[in-house]
Amino acid sequence: DAMVIQNPRYQVTQFGKPVTLSCSQTLNHNVMYWYQQKSSQAPKLLFHYYDKDFNNEADTPDNFQSRRPNTSFCFLDIRSPGLGDAAMYLCATSRVGLWDTQYFGPGTRLTVL
Amino acid sequence: ELKVEQNPLFLSMQEGKNYTIYCNYSTTSDRLYWYRQDPGKSLESLFVLLSNGAVKQEGRLMASLDTKARLSTLHITAAVHDLSATYFCAVEGGKLIFGQGTELSVKP
Repeated sequence: DAMVIQNPRYQVTQFGKPVTLSCSQTLNHNVMYWYQQKSSQAPKLLFHYYDKDFNNEADTPDNFQSRRPNTSFCFLDIRSPGLGDAAMYLCATSRVGLWDTQYFGPGTRLTVL
Repeated sequence: ELKVEQNPLFLSMQEGKNYTIYCNYSTTSDRLYWYRQDPGKSLESLFVLLSNGAVKQEGRLMASLDTKARLSTLHITAAVHDLSATYFCAVEGGKLIFGQGTELSVKP
């Protein structure tokens, strides 16, 4: 089945210790997104890739970086996680553009100790 | 700036009852989405509404869109416990702009 896969599903890191979250897709979609969702809040877009073009949201902290080495994979790097970065991180894809239906992965729950 | 507001934010229903969740948005948009999220899980796409007057139904859920009023509704018919979840509407405005979410709890 075509899908969006995120690894790991649960990640525990220490304050200030870099962490990388992974997303892969078998949908062959052009656009990949990273969202941060804190408890009882709506998802917040961090950035997205349209093919290889990276688009950062204006209010995304510099602490968050992303890489997309190929169509199928996208990574979220948090360089120095703080306690406030504990959240669910959702990867999503869409076929053509930002107006297209987005398909979400299962998410990675990040805990910062 | 496009803003999306849902109400109510919390909804406790009895099984078998009907209710409606409202989603208002502030500027013109051509697409509106409804998503469902179970606790600790990801978002599941329910409906995409593309034009004024669009109505879509899946099981006990029916979504509609009035672009002139900038309003979408998600109507729940004869609620069952399995519908307990958080429901988000999202509007396309250069990117997806989400409402705050409506936490639905259906009790026996």
